[in-house]
Formats: sequence, C-alpha cells, structure tokens
Amino acid sequence: LAKTTQPISMDSYEGQEVNITCSHNNIATNDYITWYQQFPSQGPRFIIQGYKTKVTNEVASLFIPADRKSSTLSLPRVSLSDTAVYYCLVVGGTNAGKSTFGDGTTLTVKP
Amino acid sequence: DTEVTQTPKHLVMGMTNKKSLKCEQHMGHRAMYWYKQKAKKPPELMFVYSYEKLSINESVPSRFSPECPNSSLLNLHLHALQPEDSALYLCASSLDLVTGSDYGYTFGSGTRLTVV
Repeated sequence: LAKTTQPISMDSYEGQEVNITCSHNNIATNDYITWYQQFPSQGPRFIIQGYKTKVTNEVASLFIPADRKSSTLSLPRVSLSDTAVYYCLVVGGTNAGKSTFGDGTTLTVKP
Repeated sequence: DTEVTQTPKHLVMGMTNKKSLKCEQHMGHRAMYWYKQKAKKPPELMFVYSYEKLSINESVPSRFSPECPNSSLLNLHLHALQPEDSALYLCASSLDLVTGSDYGYTFGSGTRLTVV
C-alpha cells in the first residue's frame, strides 16, 4: 500500500495560488494519484486524478514528476471558501479498493 | 444522478439497540465502500464491495455487519455498539475497484452516529 505524507497545515490569502505537495514513495506502476477536498461534517469531494505529468481541470492542476514519488495539487486564486482539508489518495490495481487516506493538509485561506 | 445518498443524516442509539445505515447510488458504480471518520482524523476504510460481493473487510468488529442487496444499495447493520463507535460514517462508490476513470470516489455526506 502506498503511504502518503502531506504537510499538516498551510495558510494562504485570498487570490493567491496554493501548492500542496504529497509524498508517495512506494507508489506502484498501475496506481493513480487522486486528490480530495473535505469540509467539516461532509464527505470528501473528488478534485482531480492523474497518472503522470500534468492534469488540469476547471478547479485545479495536478503536477506529477517522472518518478511519480510525489505530486503537487495547485489551486489557482484561492478564496475563503477553499478553506478545507485536502487529502491525496493513491488508488489503483496494486491493492484495488484498499486505498488509505493520509492525515491530510488543513488549508486556511485568510482575507 | 451523480450523488451518493446516505440515510439517516443523524442517528442516536443506545448500546443495546439494533439500527441500520443506508447508502444508495444510481451512477452504475460497481464498487461501494464504508468508511468511519472520527473528529479531526482521516476517513478509515471499513468494508469494500465489488460487484455486490464483499471484497475487503478491514478487521472490523462483528458488531458492524455490511450488506449489499443490489448494485445500487449498501447497508451497514449496527448492533451492540460502544460509545467509542460514535463517528461520521461515510459511504462511497466508484466505477470499479481500480477506478481508472476521471471521477475517483463519490462520497455521500455521511451519517453522524452517536452511541449513548
């Protein structure tokens, strides 16, 4: 199982770009990297998924280097409503379905 | 329909009660999951169903009993719980276990369970 490590917390200001990095040193060849956002008393919400290089959607970008041992979630121009816990989660064929959430990163966006 | 619906949203039960949590999805997903989340902690995987068969049981105590009656429905039966079982119980679904799609896991909003 790919164990993930993220910073416990990060602070930012409205309008700034935020980059959250996740380490997953023992990721397997057929694993994907996914990121989730969670607000208090709600279920996690899927943000983005990638395998290698760069993926972009309407809310975020995901950068994955060639060795795939880490990934960086980039949130452009954050607002107060982006204050949440962000989890990276490695999913895929190696231990299909047995993905384990790490401790996540609590992002606080200040005015 | 792109949601996972969990009922009830809140549940208070005594230690001798029997209750059930319900989870429903109509996205055609064939993998469904139960997670338990304590305050300020990440979700912990409990059970995984794949094509209506129990695929993974993460050594969960027998007072928690999962059931998958059909491809859209997942239940969690609770009996003789302890106060330390109080938590947010989350249901999730995905296209399949490998979830190579672009949409990952879809989570419900959870059931807030309090055992008294």
